[in-house]
Amino acid sequence: QQPVQSPQAVILREGEDAVINCSSSKALYSVHWYRQKHGEAPVFLMILLKGGEQMRHEKISASFNEKKQQSSLYLTASQLSYSGTYFCGTEDFRWGFGNEKLTFGTGTRLTIIP
Amino acid sequence: DARVTQTPRHKVTEMGQEVTMRCQPILGHNTVFWYRQTMMQGLELLAYFRNRAPLDDSGMPKDRFSAEMPDATLATLKIQPSEPRDSAVYFCASGLGQQFFGPGTRLTVL
Repeated sequence: QQPVQSPQAVILREGEDAVINCSSSKALYSVHWYRQKHGEAPVFLMILLKGGEQMRHEKISASFNEKKQQSSLYLTASQLSYSGTYFCGTEDFRWGFGNEKLTFGTGTRLTIIP
Repeated sequence: DARVTQTPRHKVTEMGQEVTMRCQPILGHNTVFWYRQTMMQGLELLAYFRNRAPLDDSGMPKDRFSAEMPDATLATLKIQPSEPRDSAVYFCASGLGQQFFGPGTRLTVL
């Protein structure tokens, strides 16, 4: 089952902050975040492997709440280059091992305006 | 720099025709994924391979789709016969953990 992302779309002025959420109905081994610009391929941002882990990519950070089966992506002081669609990819927890197979969320379209 | 390559980049074909898409993963990556992206369904995993062996192809319509890795430098996705509902962008990705996506093949079936 596909993880649910919220919001579906957000418009920010340059310099503003945003939070994108990703929730799954399944227990998770890991959460991956990707960004895709229009007409391009998804590009990896970060992986979160442990419950409560936080990672950072430039001014973008993320957290993973294993118990709640959810992850959040935090974009701080947004830049024009952050525009694009953000996808979370979840990896199921099965028998103590991840299976490397990602199920991607529906995506969150982020538009940054000057 | 190392990157995943895909051919063709664009393909327009008529319903019923065979379509073959090719992917060259990054050298040394032994895990290769095929995804399909549409506006309605988003990014869906079709199949993936480890060391050229198929691990999971449950996302792929079995009657018309097939995926293979003839060697470590080539992965193929074939659709026969193609249908208009197959129109989508097909991505190949390689890597374990961090996945590196190719530029995609935009397929239009008329």
